[in-house]
Amino acid sequence: GQQVMQIPQYQHVQEGEDFTTYCNSSTTLSNIQWYKQRPGGHPVFLIQLVKSGEVKKQKRLTFQFGEAKKNSSLHITATQTTDVGTYFCAAGTHDYKLSFGAGTTVTVRA
Amino acid sequence: DTAVSQTPKYLVTQMGNDKSIKCEQNLGHDTMYWYKQDSKKFLKIMFSYNNKELIINETVPNRFSPKSPDKAHLNLHINSLELGDSAVYFCASSHGTGGGQPQHFGDGTRLSIL
Repeated sequence: GQQVMQIPQYQHVQEGEDFTTYCNSSTTLSNIQWYKQRPGGHPVFLIQLVKSGEVKKQKRLTFQFGEAKKNSSLHITATQTTDVGTYFCAAGTHDYKLSFGAGTTVTVRA
Repeated sequence: DTAVSQTPKYLVTQMGNDKSIKCEQNLGHDTMYWYKQDSKKFLKIMFSYNNKELIINETVPNRFSPKSPDKAHLNLHINSLELGDSAVYFCASSHGTGGGQPQHFGDGTRLSIL
């Protein structure tokens, strides 16, 4: 099935700093979705990107879809303790599946 | 007014037992899924049903059998539980099929095999 590589696996961030997590595929994607899972919680849908080069923002979160629709990134500015959790990218393919990346687990130092 | 609800939330049982997990969604979605999340947080699709028809059946041991009595319900029965089955099992739902639509997840069922 579709393989989506997500890096880094872990991100330790000082409160107030920025960080970025990346998602890469070897094939063109129909769309990419991002989810957040808080510790002990369930994945929660954040956003979907469909168009080549698309950029969307949600407050301090900026999501980008690459021009070739093979990669995506999530950039968080001024990290807060509420940003703790695991961020997953998920690649939409044409065979009904959503293939999840391995996730980036974020911890924040106050 | 829970959107996707799973029961039970915790399941502790012994190796060799048979158990079931139930899932219901009140979002009016026509597609439902079962995922397995291991200790490294990797989310792997197991099954998907669209309007009660099985559309995704990944490489899962045949000890796992899903059943969808209607499009709002998707249950998972597991026979002869093994230690490796210990994981969190998430039910999810979406409009249409999974590749292009956001999915809504339940709270998960934490299965521990003794």
